[in-house]
Amino acid sequence: QVQLQQSGPGLVKPSQTLSLTCAISGDSVSSKSAAWNWIRQSPSRGLEWLGRTYYRSKWYNDYAVSMKSRIVINPDTSKNQFSLQLKSVTPEDTAVYYCARSLGLFDHWGQGTLVTVSS
Amino acid sequence: QSVLTQPPSASGTPGQRVTISCSGSTSNIGSNAVIWYQYLPGTAPKLLISNNNERPLGVPDRFSGSKSGTSASLAISGLQSEDEADYFCAAWDGSLNGWLFGGGTKVTVL
Repeated sequence: QVQLQQSGPGLVKPSQTLSLTCAISGDSVSSKSAAWNWIRQSPSRGLEWLGRTYYRSKWYNDYAVSMKSRIVINPDTSKNQFSLQLKSVTPEDTAVYYCARSLGLFDHWGQGTLVTVSS
Repeated sequence: QSVLTQPPSASGTPGQRVTISCSGSTSNIGSNAVIWYQYLPGTAPKLLISNNNERPLGVPDRFSGSKSGTSASLAISGLQSEDEADYFCAAWDGSLNGWLFGGGTKVTVL
């Protein structure tokens, strides 16, 4: 049974960096078939894919074009987890953030973290 | 702005059939499978349809998906009050090298 457990602060100040972690159980972040994604949801933007990390003999990352200058997704093999860092946040980055596994589709999701960007 | 275009809202009375469209391009829907999710605020999206028209175990057969060219649609027949939710389509885009979601359609049961 794959489970994804998210952690991280729910409040971030404008211009600072949003950081979230997703701990994986029941699978490996180094899986050679899965990818590990971050997705967010807001009333104004709906669901928005942010990026992913995956291992295929070496590590790869893909990021949404709109995020590329501000986002970093890193795997942590020692803890079997992966993280999201989103830099220079603004109130428009306020959303519920989800981590999710993809195997051709998003089949397992974290519980979601409401992140509010406000001073 | 979503590259996959969905109507913002749809509605019907109990028992009616509602159809939601999802329009894309050759680099996404035209060449990759479409997936549909049901979203209720505060919960993780629920997979409704995979690979254009396949229903995972546990999804009622009232939900069906189809695809033609660069468009896809989700149909809900025999609409029930519990179907009131947001519905999103998704597809991989080979040109952008990333996943795209539609803007979402809010279904209201009148």
